[in-house]
Amino acid sequence: TQLLEQSPQFLSIQEGENLTVYCNSSSVFSSLQWYRQEPGEGPVLLVTVVTGGEVKKLKRLTFQFGDARKDSSLHITAAQPGDTGLYLCAGEDNAGNMLTFGGGTRLMVKP
Amino acid sequence: DVKVTQSSRYLVKRTGEKVFLECVQDMDHENMFWYRQDPGLGLRLIYFSYDVKMKEKGDIPEGYSVSREKKERFSLILESASTNQTSMYLCASSWGGGYIQYFGAGTRLSVL
Repeated sequence: TQLLEQSPQFLSIQEGENLTVYCNSSSVFSSLQWYRQEPGEGPVLLVTVVTGGEVKKLKRLTFQFGDARKDSSLHITAAQPGDTGLYLCAGEDNAGNMLTFGGGTRLMVKP
Repeated sequence: DVKVTQSSRYLVKRTGEKVFLECVQDMDHENMFWYRQDPGLGLRLIYFSYDVKMKEKGDIPEGYSVSREKKERFSLILESASTNQTSMYLCASSWGGGYIQYFGAGTRLSVL
């Protein structure tokens, strides 16, 4: 079974601060996805990274896939209260149908 | 827009009851999944189905069964609910060759 470890599990910061969430594994993934989940809702896909070393930006969010495709990071610049939520990384297996999820990072951005 | 609908947002059941959780998707997806989500453990796969009447065990299938009689509907069944099955249950679907999964809003089940 492939495992994904996310850190930190909890993060409480002030509006305007920067933060980085990490997603690490000893396994290689075909791709890696980041989801955000708000209370009472299911996870919603933010981005998919496919190529080792790939960097994708989504407004203030920057996603990076490690060169070896074993890890990923999510960096948020100037966090806003609207960024509050649970962030989940998920790695795709080589067969292309299954996702392995990390434990999640619960982010609270205080105004 | 893809829509995955779970029949109940909240359920309260008693130990030993048989529980049905229903999920319907409207995008003709081949694959459907059931996960449970517990704090700090992320999403853990219970069962998935890649076609009508086909099912495969995920990582934690014990105590659960599933049914997929129609392509758009995937049901999760707890034959005899136990308190350790109190959790958030999430249904998802994806195209046959696709890795992007679309999630329902979840069912929060409490077993007393």
